[in-house]
Amino acid sequence: EAGVVQSPRYKIIEKKQPVAFWCNPISGHNTLYWYLQNLGQGPELLIRYENEEAVDDSQLPKDRFSAERLKGVDSTLKIQPAELGDSAVYLCASSPGTSGGTYNEQFFGPGTRLTVL
Amino acid sequence: GQQVMQIPQYQHVQEGEDFTTYCNSSTTLSNIQWYKQRPGGHPVFLIQLVKSGEVKKQKRLTFQFGEAKKNSSLHITATQTTDVGTYFCAGSNQAGTALIFGKGTTLSVSS
Repeated sequence: EAGVVQSPRYKIIEKKQPVAFWCNPISGHNTLYWYLQNLGQGPELLIRYENEEAVDDSQLPKDRFSAERLKGVDSTLKIQPAELGDSAVYLCASSPGTSGGTYNEQFFGPGTRLTVL
Repeated sequence: GQQVMQIPQYQHVQEGEDFTTYCNSSTTLSNIQWYKQRPGGHPVFLIQLVKSGEVKKQKRLTFQFGEAKKNSSLHITATQTTDVGTYFCAGSNQAGTALIFGKGTTLSVSS
């Protein structure tokens, strides 16, 4: 079974440029997460989808970040314009979903390492 | 808001020594998960604990969930070089609306 796929793996851009990350979750997983991970830190949730609905985007900086999950499968995370402080690893994860309020295990993709110059 | 803290931040051991990392939450948790991230890799799920006082074992790894469901620990017996990495706990609040990761404990092992 294929795991969570993310692309690109690495991205270097200049500040103020736009950038987009793509994620394909494990087949059949209804829940999709985007995380940001800085060096030496744990993953920080940006947005969580249940199917095509964004159920938690409270930590997403909406002035520059946007995300979509059309048809409840693939997802795209966009930053426009990028700032120096956005340099980090962007992780996508998927899970079969929550059951009765209990989170199931999350399967992480390899991440996209973004460098903003 | 809910906070999940892990100690220590770093731990270096000689191969064969034991290792323990501790996770503490500011609020009562619904459940707790543990992940391992190898250098340059992504987090990989290890286990989930749900019940108060629960203890689970995976070979040399022992996971505990506190009676009050506010803390947890991961203990590795007789560490090996393959245990190197960062271990994260992630706690879910009782409403099931948030899963917060700790900052992790990075383990290094010398042979």
